[in-house]
Amino acid sequence: GENVEQHPSTLSVQEGDSAVIKCTYSDSASNYFPWYKQELGKRPQLIIDIRSNVGEKKDQRIAVTLNKTAKHFSLHITETQPEDSAVYFCAATPPYGNKLVFGAGTILRVKS
Amino acid sequence: EPEVTQTPSHQVTQMGQEVILRCVPISNHLYFYWYRQILGQKVEFLVSFYNNEISEKSEIFDDQFSVERPDGSNFTLKIRSTKLEDSAMYFCASNRDAPSYEQYFGPGTRLTVT
Repeated sequence: GENVEQHPSTLSVQEGDSAVIKCTYSDSASNYFPWYKQELGKRPQLIIDIRSNVGEKKDQRIAVTLNKTAKHFSLHITETQPEDSAVYFCAATPPYGNKLVFGAGTILRVKS
Repeated sequence: EPEVTQTPSHQVTQMGQEVILRCVPISNHLYFYWYRQILGQKVEFLVSFYNNEISEKSEIFDDQFSVERPDGSNFTLKIRSTKLEDSAMYFCASNRDAPSYEQYFGPGTRLTVT
């Protein structure tokens, strides 16, 4: 089945700097890749997603890139702010179902 | 904006007891899911449900687990005989239709088995 690896497990950046989180997936037929932000004790919240027919998507300070050949996708956050501090999870959806297979998560700390 | 809701927010139970976790998905959504997250770990898929039947389940979802949509609004997860390792946060999620993909998560129920 699908397996998603996520790196790094923790990331500390200075306020205003950029943060990049990377994920790889194993099933080349997976076709949907969302990113969720989870604050302590809260539900995962979708922040951006990308489908397999698109290489890049941007929403204000957040962007996601997808490289289908290499089977990896990345989250880019520019001009980081303290409120960006949270755990970020990538996920992939295999084509034979609708479930989300999550990566292990990245703890992002933005230092002011 | 409509949200997925879950009750209770926290459930404490003794090992061997049955628990039912309840969810109200977003009203026009057709696909429903349960995920769990053990403290400090990643979110894991348990089961998906569509058209009043299970469409997919993981190896975690064994005979101790069952799901039901008893009426037009609720979606429940039952654990028949809880074990210590069932302690986790359980999230319900829903989405409108498969091609849409975006899944909306509820706030979770923290299950503590003692």
